[in-house]
Amino acid sequence: EAQVTQNPRYLITVTGKKLTVTCSQNMNHEYMSWYRQDPGLGLRQIYYSMNVEVTDKGDVPEGYKVSRKEKRNFPLILESPSPNQTSLYFCASSETQGHGELFFGEGSRLTVL
Amino acid sequence: AQSVAQPEDQVNVAEGNPLTVKCTYSVSGNPYLFWYVQYPNRGLQFLLKYITGDNLVKGSYGFEAEFNKSQTSFHLKKPSALVSDSALYFCAVRAVNKFYFGSGTKLNVKP
Repeated sequence: EAQVTQNPRYLITVTGKKLTVTCSQNMNHEYMSWYRQDPGLGLRQIYYSMNVEVTDKGDVPEGYKVSRKEKRNFPLILESPSPNQTSLYFCASSETQGHGELFFGEGSRLTVL
Repeated sequence: AQSVAQPEDQVNVAEGNPLTVKCTYSVSGNPYLFWYVQYPNRGLQFLLKYITGDNLVKGSYGFEAEFNKSQTSFHLKKPSALVSDSALYFCAVRAVNKFYFGSGTKLNVKP
């Protein structure tokens, strides 16, 4: 089954404690990206990757890092989480061709105390 | 700057009636336009997309969308709403390598 898998689905942490949200896709997609969803703001793109070792900033990259060492994996790293990063996070993948639609994971709800 | 607007936070419609969820966009160049649906505690699911060609695009679950270049709009429509259509709907634009989403419209279909 084609899918994007995120872990963990739910996480409560404290300010400053580094965390990583993993994302893996089994569709051999070259394009992967991370979003945060906040009420009234829709989804905002954090980072995206066109291929292995190629990453770029989205609209809200501050406080986040990503890496793309393998085609199927695209982890999101919060080096020093703060309460304003409490949000619902989605990983998604797509074919690289310009009009490919996104396939989303189930989401990771993060709370930073 | 690229942007997508969904002017209605919520749309209420009776089951069996037609529904419209509005979306306008501001993107340089030729955009690729998408609609997604989100059910509670789930990820977003792709409904349909406009790339080029016919302005009326048909998608999943009986939904369709009308692209209007002069009004820069891409409204989602369905001739006859179902209670099971109740969900959160997002319009999105792909501009080069970035995606831009609207703020979402909650669709409530009442029996």
